[in-house]
Amino acid sequence: DAGVIQSPRHEVTEMGQEVTLRCKPISGHNSLFWYRQTMMRGLELLIYFNNNVPIDDSGMPEDRFSAKMPNASFSTLKIQPSEPRDSAVYFCASSLGSGSFRTEAFFGQGTRLTVV
Amino acid sequence: TQLLEQSPQFLSIQEGENLTVYCNSSSVFSSLQWYRQEPGEGPVLLVTVVTGGEVKKLKRLTFQFGDARKDSSLHITAAQPGDTGLYLCAGAGFSGGSNYKLTFGKGTLLTVNP
Repeated sequence: DAGVIQSPRHEVTEMGQEVTLRCKPISGHNSLFWYRQTMMRGLELLIYFNNNVPIDDSGMPEDRFSAKMPNASFSTLKIQPSEPRDSAVYFCASSLGSGSFRTEAFFGQGTRLTVV
Repeated sequence: TQLLEQSPQFLSIQEGENLTVYCNSSSVFSSLQWYRQEPGEGPVLLVTVVTGGEVKKLKRLTFQFGDARKDSSLHITAAQPGDTGLYLCAGAGFSGGSNYKLTFGKGTLLTVNP
């Protein structure tokens, strides 16, 4: 199994531009998570999907952020318009089951976003 | 305010030494996980502890969950350069909340020098 696949690995964009991050979860996993990691705040949960349905988006910073999961094998996180403070590493993770963390969460390699 | 405080924040030791890192909270968690993250990679799960007082061993790593399920420790015996990385603790079911929501500490960055 290839694991959780994220693209791109690195993204540099200008302030105000739209950014789309992509994630392919592990086949068979029905829970998907988007996290953001910064030095200041560590790893923060942005949004959680179960069976392609957004369950909890309380971690999404503001309306500039949106996430979709049109099918079980693909999810996107979009930032429009992007701002320098959005610079961070964004991780996608997937797991089996209903999201209970007695099961293992598998993380992708992350997308390092730099907004200049 | 950080729900999970990890200490120390940075730790640099020589190969062969023992070390302990800590993960503390004032809140109760239903379970706690430890992850290790290497540069340019995502976190990888090491262990999940569920029961207060539980101790789990993974080769040279020993994990303990506090009796009150508010804190945890990770002890590494005879550290090796391959142990270098960012060690993250993550709690689920914070104060009886949803189990899917993992709250992460900021991590301990461990460097083991040859």
